[in-house]
Amino acid sequence: QSALTQPASVSGSPGQSITISCTGTSSDVGGYKYVSWYQQHPGKAPKLMISDVSNRPSGVSNRFSGSKSGNTASLTISGLQAEDEADYYCSSYTSSSTYVFGTGTKVTVL
Amino acid sequence: EVQLVQSGAEVKKPGDSLKISCKGSGYSFTNYWIGWVRQMPGKGLEWMGIIYPGDSETRYSPSFQGQVTISADKSISTAYMQWSSLKASDTAIYYCARQGSSDWGWNYWGQGTLVTVSS
Repeated sequence: QSALTQPASVSGSPGQSITISCTGTSSDVGGYKYVSWYQQHPGKAPKLMISDVSNRPSGVSNRFSGSKSGNTASLTISGLQAEDEADYYCSSYTSSSTYVFGTGTKVTVL
Repeated sequence: EVQLVQSGAEVKKPGDSLKISCKGSGYSFTNYWIGWVRQMPGKGLEWMGIIYPGDSETRYSPSFQGQVTISADKSISTAYMQWSSLKASDTAIYYCARQGSSDWGWNYWGQGTLVTVSS
């Protein structure tokens, strides 16, 4: 199975909104509601930001939201803040009963 | 408090064997899937496989099938990742993670184990 496709980088100014896309196939993103998003700061373990397409775990800022349409999932960060600068990865359950990550997106706050 | 504590950094030579661990605490270890993730230097995250400690059902991602062995010892709440013959390309940080209780996200992570394979 191939990695899900994400843009390599996305940038925005403080206070702006940005959206990161995650494109897969009907065998992963399009076939299941089990898409999640992870934030990773340098030298740190990943942190779950969104589960099950749009569910925000307790403690995660409501500036983070998720959605899905067809084979593409999206993560939107509104009111961009300096602390949001990090790498972001999507992940999906697959028809092989395993999981696959996206290629990763570096978010830069200008 | 749920915690996953991984074993320490390892430095090995090509051809060596290795087993790293991930100890769960603060929850019922047998009731949640544990996953293993590889991150090569400067690269992205890759799912290696998952295990359900309750019955040891294990699923490998295609790229890692036959390359590693995932196991668990529920008597000591510990999951393992094992290599029989390391290669330089196995140099990476390895993370374990636990799936959520009411959703399918992986919301608890270990601190990572750095494995360095060099002659």
